[in-house]
Amino acid sequence: QVQLVQSGAEVKKPGASVRVSCKTSGYTFNTYALNWVRQAPGQGLEWLGWISSHSGGTQIPQKFHDRVTMTRDTSTSTVYMELKMLRSDDTAVYYCARDQGVRGVYHPSSFDYWGQGTPVIVSS
Amino acid sequence: DIQMTQSPSSVSASVGDRVTISCRASQDISTWVAWYQQKSGKAPQLLIYAASTLQSGVPSRFSGSGSGTEFTLTISSLQPEDFATYYCQQATGFPPALTFGGGTTVEIK
Repeated sequence: QVQLVQSGAEVKKPGASVRVSCKTSGYTFNTYALNWVRQAPGQGLEWLGWISSHSGGTQIPQKFHDRVTMTRDTSTSTVYMELKMLRSDDTAVYYCARDQGVRGVYHPSSFDYWGQGTPVIVSS
Repeated sequence: DIQMTQSPSSVSASVGDRVTISCRASQDISTWVAWYQQKSGKAPQLLIYAASTLQSGVPSRFSGSGSGTEFTLTISSLQPEDFATYYCQQATGFPPALTFGGGTTVEIK
């Protein structure tokens, strides 16, 4: 069965960086893109971007373009999201989510499988 | 970016009730809307994609409709396990800009 298993909770100081991993299994890794979504405490969902598992190409919204990096390791079917220059308002649960691909291979669409979430706390 | 405005922000309902949640896009997005259910402390789960296509394994009491700027998620007969928060989501534009609605919490009346 499809599984997305994320790395554990992180506590970071303002200005630091955090890297969250998402190990996939149960399907052919190269055939589905992955997305990252976050949710601040008591708030809604916010998209951080998309990575093609096939090419490694990314789509990252302007708001995060200078702070977010997404990479993948095809040998371990794992994707990574690094967020730099952390601020207190980056405190959130970070999710990876598999893209269904219903809009083709170059455009994010809807998300059919999600990781369990990784809490990231930013505090001095 | 395209804004997605959900209404209501919360609704109180009883088991067996019909519940309707609306989502309005700030511009025409064709049928590129998905709906998710999220229970407390859990990851969201996909219910509907492409505005009206039921995700595999989702009960048929869930349905979606709409196109352009107006979209609706309907739960035909509310069940105890349906009390949760629901989000709409769009993915259009180039470069792609994916946004979620603010969420609707379905509470027990």
